[in-house]
Amino acid sequence: SQKIEQNSEALNIQEGKTATLTCNYTNYSPAYLQWYRQDPGRGPVFLLLIRENEKEKRKERLKVTFDTTLKQSLFHITASQPADSATYLCALPRTGTYKYIFGTGTRLKVLA
Amino acid sequence: DTGVSQDPRHKITKRGQNVTFRCDPISEHNRLYWYRQTLGQGPEFLTYFQNEAQLEKSRLLSDRFSAERPKGSFSTLEIQRTEQGDSAMYLCASSLGRDNNSPLHFGNGTRLTVT
Repeated sequence: SQKIEQNSEALNIQEGKTATLTCNYTNYSPAYLQWYRQDPGRGPVFLLLIRENEKEKRKERLKVTFDTTLKQSLFHITASQPADSATYLCALPRTGTYKYIFGTGTRLKVLA
Repeated sequence: DTGVSQDPRHKITKRGQNVTFRCDPISEHNRLYWYRQTLGQGPEFLTYFQNEAQLEKSRLLSDRFSAERPKGSFSTLEIQRTEQGDSAMYLCASSLGRDNNSPLHFGNGTRLTVT
């Protein structure tokens, strides 16, 4: 069955370092992948979309890569700040349907 | 763009009662989704509307759940005979469906607690 895996353990990093979060998927061949940020008690907020023919996408301090051979996307936040502390979710479109499937999310905590 | 709004933000109900949630999507968005999220999990798809037509429903959506989107504007999600397992955050999202990779715009959800 189609599955998305994100590291469910929280990631703690020091302010100023680069945070790297992983999204692995199986039995998918998605045309694109999305990343969202979610703060406690709030809905997810869209950050970036990367298509299968794009190896890398950047937006300010964010960078996403998409390796369709490894079936993996990496999400990087450079020069991390305490305000980046949140849960980050990856989402894929489920083939042949309208729905997006979300990973469980990885909680990031940036320590001052 | 006033964003997606959901009402109420919190709902506490007794087991067996019916509850109804409302979602007002971004006005020009033709696609509307309902998701459910429990603690430590990602959002789980419930149902999808394109304009007023309900085009997809999760198998997880039992017959106690019903959703509507009259006239393709706001949407309601009703849960009848609530059970403790229904306790969760119910999220609504909308998107402008020019193509299938449009990002979802989420509301801040309705947190349901069934006692």
